[in-house]
Order: sequence, then C-alpha cells, then structure tokens
Amino acid sequence: EAQVTQNPRYLITVTGKKLTVTCSQNMNHEYMSWYRQDPGLGLRQIYYSMNVEVTDKGDVPEGYKVSRKEKRNFPLILESPSPNQTSLYFCASSLKWGSYNEQFFGPGTRLTVL
Amino acid sequence: DQQVKQNSPSLSVQEGRISILNCDYTNSMFDYFLWYKKYPAEGPTFLISISSIKDKNEDGRFTVFLNKSAKHLSLHIVPSQPGDSAVYFCAVSSGTYKYIFGTGTRLKVLA
Repeated sequence: EAQVTQNPRYLITVTGKKLTVTCSQNMNHEYMSWYRQDPGLGLRQIYYSMNVEVTDKGDVPEGYKVSRKEKRNFPLILESPSPNQTSLYFCASSLKWGSYNEQFFGPGTRLTVL
Repeated sequence: DQQVKQNSPSLSVQEGRISILNCDYTNSMFDYFLWYKKYPAEGPTFLISISSIKDKNEDGRFTVFLNKSAKHLSLHIVPSQPGDSAVYFCAVSSGTYKYIFGTGTRLKVLA
C-alpha cells in the first residue's frame, strides 16, 4: 500500500531533550516536506527536500533540523525542544516538486514539550 | 502576514444542500491552487486543484472556482453529505518550492 508513515504518533518530552520524528514513504517520491499544524494558524511548512541531499527552509524552520540521506526517509530533528514546539506535525511527499503534484500526507505526530 | 486566508473558521450546512468554502490570497504570482480535506486523527488528503489559467475545475460533487482579479478561490460541494464533515484547507503553490496553506474551515454537514 502506497503510504507515508511517521513515528512516533504521540510523544511527550521535556524541554531540551533531543528527539527525532521519522518519516518514510514507499512511493519513490522526490519531494518531501514537514509541516506543523497549530490552532488558528493552519499548516505551516517547516522544511522541504527536493531530492536526496537537497533540503531547504520553509516558513518556520527555527529550532528544527532535517536530513535526506535516502530518498524514502526524511527525519525531523529537534535538537533542544521547547514548549513552543508543542504541535501536530505532518510529513508529506509528492512525486516531484511542481505545482501539479499533489502531496500525500502521513497520519501526524502529536508532540508535547513540557 | 497571512498570504492565504480562510476567513470562516467553521460552516454548518444541511445534508443535500450546497457547501461553499472560501479562500483569499494576496500574491497574484501564485499559479496553482489546491484543496485538501482533513478528518480527525488523519493527515490531510488531496481533494481538487486548479491552475491559474483556468477559472473552474469539476470533479464529481466538488467544483473549485478561481477569480484571479479578486484573488479569491472557492470550493463548492453539491450535494453535501454527512461524510463531507471535515476540516478543509486551501493551499497555494508559491513557485519557490514551497506550499502555503490557509488556516482551515471546519465543515459540518447536518443529517
């Protein structure tokens, strides 16, 4: 089944404790992206990747890192999480970058930073 | 500054009637517009899209209209069904490898 998977689905952590949220897609997609969803703010793009080893900042990259060493995986790293990073996170992928390519989203990761 | 706005946080519609969801944007350079639908505890799923060279696109019960002069996008659902109850996000392609999403409208279709 074609899908985007994220792990963990739920995570409660404390300020400053490094964490990684994994994202994997099995559709051989080139473009991958991370979003956070917050009440009243909709979905905001954190980072995106055009292809392996090519990543760039979205609109809200502060406090996050990403890497794209393999085509299928695009982990999101929070080196020193803070309470303002408490949010619902979505990973997404599309065949290529391009206006005409719909994105496929993972099920989301709900992160709470105490 | 929000480049993509959905001014109605919520909308209730009777089953069988038309649902109209609206989206306004600020940048006339946006060239592609999409609607996504999101159920609770799931990721958004693609619904329908339209390019800037068109003013209307239909897919079954869903029609998207684009008014470029007004920088306005709307999604019409006819007839509305209870299973359409979800949060709807409009999104635009900014042409710089980024996507910009609106804040979402929660649609409730009453049986």
